[in-house]
Amino acid sequence: DGGITQSPKYLFRKEGQNVTLSCEQNLNHDAMYWYRQDPGQGLRLIYYSQIVNDFQKGDIAEGYSVSREKKESFPLTVTSAQKNPTAFYLCATSGRAGETQYFGPGTRLLVL
Amino acid sequence: AQSVTQLDSQVPVFEEAPVELRCNYSSSVSVYLFWYVQYPNQGLQLLLKYLSGSTLVKGINGFEAEFNKSQTSFHLRKPSVHISDTAEYFCAVGPLRSNDYKLSFGAGTTVTVRA
Repeated sequence: DGGITQSPKYLFRKEGQNVTLSCEQNLNHDAMYWYRQDPGQGLRLIYYSQIVNDFQKGDIAEGYSVSREKKESFPLTVTSAQKNPTAFYLCATSGRAGETQYFGPGTRLLVL
Repeated sequence: AQSVTQLDSQVPVFEEAPVELRCNYSSSVSVYLFWYVQYPNQGLQLLLKYLSGSTLVKGINGFEAEFNKSQTSFHLRKPSVHISDTAEYFCAVGPLRSNDYKLSFGAGTTVTVRA
């Protein structure tokens, strides 16, 4: 079954804790993206990666980190430096520039 | 850089009535455009996209959109909505013929269909 998997569906973070959100794809897409969604603000790009072992900051990268060691995987770490992490996080993939971005089901991060 | 403005944050509509969601964009280069739909607590699903060719684009679930280059708009329409069309809709724009992979998204339009 082809697609994009995000886990977990819900994630709780304690103060000062780093947490990692998983994104896996079997679409054989080169590019992967992480977006943050807050009510009334649309989607904001956190990081994106066009090829393995390379990634670029998006518009709101502060307090986040990523890695791209495998084509299929693009995990996002929300660090303790991110002071307002409560949001819905969406992972997306595309074949190359100009192609449709396909989205995973999302992870909702909540702060305890 | 590109930017997108969705002119309506909320659109209430009665079942079987038509609906139009307005999207304007700005860009210094040629663009490609998308409309996505998001149901509660889910990811985004592609409704339709415009890259080139005919300015009237047909998508899934009876939706269509018209690209107007002179007015820099890409409005989404459906002639008769169903309760199941209740969702949030996002317009997105990206640069055509570029190695820039980034899309810019509008803030979204919430459509609520009432019986």
